[in-house]
Amino acid sequence: QLQLQESGPGLVKPSETLSLTCTVSGGSISSSSYYWAWIRQPPGKGLEWIGIIYYGGTTYYNPSLKSRVTISVDTSKNQFSLKVTSVTAADTAVYYCARRLLAAAPPGHWYFDLWGRGTLVTVSS
Amino acid sequence: DIQMTQSPSSLSASVGDRVTITCRASQGISNYLAWFQQKPGKAPKSLIYAASSLQSGVPSKFSGSGSGTDFTLTISSLQPEDLATYYCQQYKSYPLTFGGGTKVEIK
Repeated sequence: QLQLQESGPGLVKPSETLSLTCTVSGGSISSSSYYWAWIRQPPGKGLEWIGIIYYGGTTYYNPSLKSRVTISVDTSKNQFSLKVTSVTAADTAVYYCARRLLAAAPPGHWYFDLWGRGTLVTVSS
Repeated sequence: DIQMTQSPSSLSASVGDRVTITCRASQGISNYLAWFQQKPGKAPKSLIYAASSLQSGVPSKFSGSGSGTDFTLTISSLQPEDLATYYCQQYKSYPLTFGGGTKVEIK
């Protein structure tokens, strides 16, 4: 069964770059039926979509973060990654990676069906 | 951006009660809507997609309905294990957006 696991530093200093990796196990990242996403949740708050990537490299970002975010994919390692530059305390959150699946039916429905456990990243000096 | 508004933000109900959560989109999204359950300290879990399609393995006590701008998630008979925050999410267009969440508590 496919699983997602986030990894990376739990503490990042203000103005530095946050870097996380999501490792996909039990299946291939290179499928035309999947997109791969990053979503975050500040402590005690709701969910915010950060961005998404297709195995071929096509990306879409949340405009609120677009100038600071890069998502990339490494199909040889079955991983995709997130970088957020110039972080502040407002970037403190649990970061989740997730799979966006093309439903078998009805047609055209791409939805988040699988999530990693999440990793807490704190921005503090 | 499409704004998603959930109501209520929290509710308290008794075991066995029927619970309904509402989600409203700021513009029409057809049925491109999903619902998630997030238990305390855990990752969100997919419940429903395409507004009313039940994710594999999810109990049939959960159901979704709606189209256009107004959607509902119903729990037919609330159980203690349903204590969680529930989120709606539209995937009609980018940026993908979530509702603010509805926290369900057991009386």
